[in-house]
Amino acid sequence: GAVVSQHPSWVICKSGTSVKIECRSLDFQATTMFWYRQFPKQSLMLMATSNEGSKATYEQGVEKDKFLINHASLTLSTLTVTSAHPEDSSFYICSARLAGGYSYEQYFGPGTRLTVT
Amino acid sequence: AQRVTQPEKLLSVFKGAPVELKCNYSYSGSPELFWYVQYSRQRLQLLLRHISRESIKGFTADLNKGETSFHLKKPFAQEEDSAMYYCALTGSGGYQKVTFGTGTKLQVIP
Repeated sequence: GAVVSQHPSWVICKSGTSVKIECRSLDFQATTMFWYRQFPKQSLMLMATSNEGSKATYEQGVEKDKFLINHASLTLSTLTVTSAHPEDSSFYICSARLAGGYSYEQYFGPGTRLTVT
Repeated sequence: AQRVTQPEKLLSVFKGAPVELKCNYSYSGSPELFWYVQYSRQRLQLLLRHISRESIKGFTADLNKGETSFHLKKPFAQEEDSAMYYCALTGSGGYQKVTFGTGTKLQVIP
């Protein structure tokens, strides 16, 4: 149980276009989902916390207008990278927390590799 | 600000040798510490947490508040232990965001 999927697993897009990444909890309800960004050989950096039915909470330094997060249901959160640029190329990972669960009880998705050309 | 430091990017040990993955943290209150593991081609998953004081797959970690450390140890490394290990921290109560270290790649040599 407690499986989180991400789609797509990898995507290549041209500079200036937008890309949407989906994060789904397959067999549980997740009131909270987290979006992370990971650069090569670096740690996971929390970008935002997404709560179902409300606006996402962004970490300092993350542009909310560039990284649009929508958490419309208890099983789906989306991250849209708008007007992507090469510097947005990275590995994006989502995780989901069981309703009522502790923050460390996150179930991670497999990640999405974004390459902006 | 909360910070987690893992000084080693890569740790290579021979099978059967002891393993110690270092983790130091900075946090103004009472933190909760964890170790996550990511095996090759698999997703990140929770390995253990200091509160439970459990041993998972032979790994243990003791929180040393004086030295602000939470090193991960195993007396005898196995090949299947080869993976990326991330130390992580959250505030007390367990509902605050999790901060991850940069990770250490453990390579167990047969």
